[in-house]
Amino acid sequence: EAGVAQSPRYKIIEKRQSVAFWCNPISGHATLYWYQQILGQGPKLLIQFQNNGVVDDSQLPKDRFSAERLKGVDSTLKIQPAKLEDSAVYLCASSFDRVHSYNSPLHFGNGTRLTVT
Amino acid sequence: AQSVAQPEDQVNVAEGNPLTVKCTYSVSGNPYLFWYVQYPNRGLQFLLKYITGDNLVKGSYGFEAEFNKSQTSFHLKKPSALVSDSALYFCAVRDSRLPGTASKLTFGTGTRLQVTL
Repeated sequence: EAGVAQSPRYKIIEKRQSVAFWCNPISGHATLYWYQQILGQGPKLLIQFQNNGVVDDSQLPKDRFSAERLKGVDSTLKIQPAKLEDSAVYLCASSFDRVHSYNSPLHFGNGTRLTVT
Repeated sequence: AQSVAQPEDQVNVAEGNPLTVKCTYSVSGNPYLFWYVQYPNRGLQFLLKYITGDNLVKGSYGFEAEFNKSQTSFHLKKPSALVSDSALYFCAVRDSRLPGTASKLTFGTGTRLQVTL
């Protein structure tokens, strides 16, 4: 099966600029996640979608970050305006999990490495 | 709140020797436990999971992990390490007591495994 696709692979922007990342999950996977991985740390969940609905966005800095999954398939994550501390790898993942069964493994894309200067 | 601890930033082992990467967790209910591996400039790849049943779980690439409820541990093991096993390893936990929509996957900070000839 095709894996989780993410683009771009790398992005360099100046602070206060905006940036968008795109993710296409594995076909048939209902749940989609965006994680932020800062160098030397484990991935931190930013937002979790079940189909096109948001399940958890408690750790999403909503003053600058936004995400959508309009048709329940692919998703975009946007940062506007970017700060220096947003420099990280942004990972998209998907899983087959349904609402009452959250024990399926996550399948990750290769991530987008964002550098904010 | 649930948490995962990986007490070693780095583990060094000679090729052919057994390896252990340690993980302890904290959840209110019964845990769902996962191990993932990350190679440079790649996303995380699923290795194995413990949901219920046999405490010894076998996964990809010859890895296995042992669930120990009394010690709240889920250490990753391999009988004979390979140089190609060198990578970053993450332990993760979910609380099975929480309903799916509230069940967040929490990652540890990662352990770098270095296997040398």
